[in-house]
Amino acid sequence: EVQLVESGGGLVQPGGSLRLSCVASGLTVSSNYMTWVRQAPGKGLEWVSVLHSSGTTYYADSVKGRFTISRDNFMNTLYLQMNSLTVEDTAVYYCAREWVAAAIDFWGQGSRVTVSS
Amino acid sequence: DIQMTQSPSSPSASVGDSVTITCRASQRISSSLNWYRQRPGKSPQLLIYSASTLQSGVPSRFSGSGSETNFTLTISSLQPEDSATYYCQQTYNIPYTFGQGTKLKI
Repeated sequence: EVQLVESGGGLVQPGGSLRLSCVASGLTVSSNYMTWVRQAPGKGLEWVSVLHSSGTTYYADSVKGRFTISRDNFMNTLYLQMNSLTVEDTAVYYCAREWVAAAIDFWGQGSRVTVSS
Repeated sequence: DIQMTQSPSSPSASVGDSVTITCRASQRISSSLNWYRQRPGKSPQLLIYSASTLQSGVPSRFSGSGSETNFTLTISSLQPEDSATYYCQQTYNIPYTFGQGTKLKI
């Protein structure tokens, strides 16, 4: 059974940093396309970033230059380093796996990030 | 970026009814369109990928159709658990954008 478990969320001040972790079981992070999707309170889904098995990364314009997606193959863990946070980054962040046609077939339970002074 | 527009925004229906949700892309995206259901307080769940392929384990009363710019998700024999928000997503070009969501009330 595939499980994706996020951690690392919390309250941070504007301009601060946070690192989200996503521990995977039942799948190998390095062999998959792993992605982060976020959802602001009461809002819709927003694609944030993807890390391909090749190591290629892509980002939404809204986070480019501030967020970094990475992985630890030994720990089978996906990360999202978030710097220069703004109130607009407040959201639940989901770790997920892209599969056929880049559709997301497995989602974590989400990690809540609140950026506020 | 490709813009995805869903309609209607918040329909209501009864148990046993059918409902159709529409998703329109701002440019041609072939069949690179996925549908998700998100129940309140839960993570999204993949229903349909590549416009019309039913994800494993999803009931056959869910169906998708369309191509290029116009797509539909049809749910027949509505059940109480179908009360949820439904999202389309294009995976033709990065960034993979979502529609704004359709909140279905049963």
